[in-house]
Amino acid sequence: QKEVEQNSGPLSVPEGAIASLNCTYSDRVSQSFFWYRQYSGKSPELIMSIYSNGDKEDGRFTAQLNKASQYVSLLIRDSQPSDSATYLCAVNGYSGGGADGLTFGKGTHLIIQP
Amino acid sequence: GAGVSQSPRYKVAKRGQDVALRCDPISGHVSLFWYQQALGQGPEFLTYFQNEAQLDKSGLPSDRFFAERPEGSVSTLKIQRTQQEDSAVYLCASSWGQADTEAFFGQGTRLTVV
Repeated sequence: QKEVEQNSGPLSVPEGAIASLNCTYSDRVSQSFFWYRQYSGKSPELIMSIYSNGDKEDGRFTAQLNKASQYVSLLIRDSQPSDSATYLCAVNGYSGGGADGLTFGKGTHLIIQP
Repeated sequence: GAGVSQSPRYKVAKRGQDVALRCDPISGHVSLFWYQQALGQGPEFLTYFQNEAQLDKSGLPSDRFFAERPEGSVSTLKIQRTQQEDSAVYLCASSWGQADTEAFFGQGTRLTVV
């Protein structure tokens, strides 16, 4: 059973601070990792993808991957009220036929306080 | 179109009724996925197509659920004899490559079974 674990929150962060979101996964063969943002009543929106150990930066967002620890994180710098949303961690598994569909965590509810 | 398009956006079905949900992926995208999202939960994988081939249907909850993508483009998720527990948001996503490439979601179809 593939599992992706996230702290459901809510995580409350002051405007302008760094928000740190964490995720662990159970399937050691996972190779592809994604962060999605989901506003209430809307569909998930892709924020970041990461495939290799280390950091990947895109604007105010940095994804970090540590495959040895089976750990993925997302940092949001200079947090804005518009960043308030649920952040979903998603992981690909692999079976005999190739890559599988995504396994999602339950999401972390982030609140940026003005 | 520019994004993944799903229809209808909302569907109310009486228990026992059959429903069909449509997904029009991003043009040229090879892979298409269906997910089910219950309130407060992350999306749960249902099934995956690569072109017209259904490579994984392990997430379909019962034999009342059936998906097809006959020409490798538009897909339909059909639910027969709907039950109250089928009430959820059904999300479609597509990606340009195999299942481990970046996937983009449609707006979803909110199904309510009464």
